Amino acid sequence: ETGVTQSPTHLIKTRGQQVTLRCSSQSGHNTVSWYQQALGQGPQFIFQYYREEENGRGNFPPRFSGLQFPNYSSELNVNALELDDSALYLCASSMKGAQDGYTFGSGTRLTVV
Amino acid sequence: AQSVTQPDIHITVSEGASLELRCNYSYGATPYLFWYVQSPGQGLQLLLKYFSGDTLVQGIKGFEAEFKRSQSSFNLRKPSVHWSDAAEYFCAVAPSNDYKLSFGAGTTVTVRA
Repeated sequence: ETGVTQSPTHLIKTRGQQVTLRCSSQSGHNTVSWYQQALGQGPQFIFQYYREEENGRGNFPPRFSGLQFPNYSSELNVNALELDDSALYLCASSMKGAQDGYTFGSGTRLTVV
Repeated sequence: AQSVTQPDIHITVSEGASLELRCNYSYGATPYLFWYVQSPGQGLQLLLKYFSGDTLVQGIKGFEAEFKRSQSSFNLRKPSVHWSDAAEYFCAVAPSNDYKLSFGAGTTVTVRA
């Protein structure tokens, strides 16, 4: 079975720009979550999608938005990028929510300059 | 408020020595508990998880963790560390009725020869 794949692996954007990050969930998983991990910190929950609908959101502003597609892949969009958005963005998928634990991708390293 | 505390920011251990990483949580009820490991530039790999039952949980790579309800702790142990165990370790919790993972700040483990 394939794991969680994220693209791109690295990205550099300018403050004020918009960015889209992509995630392909593990085969059979129907729940996708996104996390932001700033340097030297633990991941912070952004939001979760279950069967194409947002199923929970962390303390992130509306300029962070997402989508989940019928094949359970997902996108994270961030508008009006700020310098503090520089971080590793992690995607995680699961079949039954927390009961099975989450499978994480290797992340996208976003640098905002 | 829900919180996860990993008191040790950095631990250095000799190869072959034992390792214990501490994790304390604050939740209204017993949450789902996880330990993840992150190698430099990589995503998170699940070491083990606890939902219910036997309070001593066995995981991958020779790791185990013990849940102690009275102390709200879920400490990770390994009897004999290998140089490849050098990494960042994260404790995470999810409420029983929610899927959002809350992470501690992490413990960096350095293994010396």
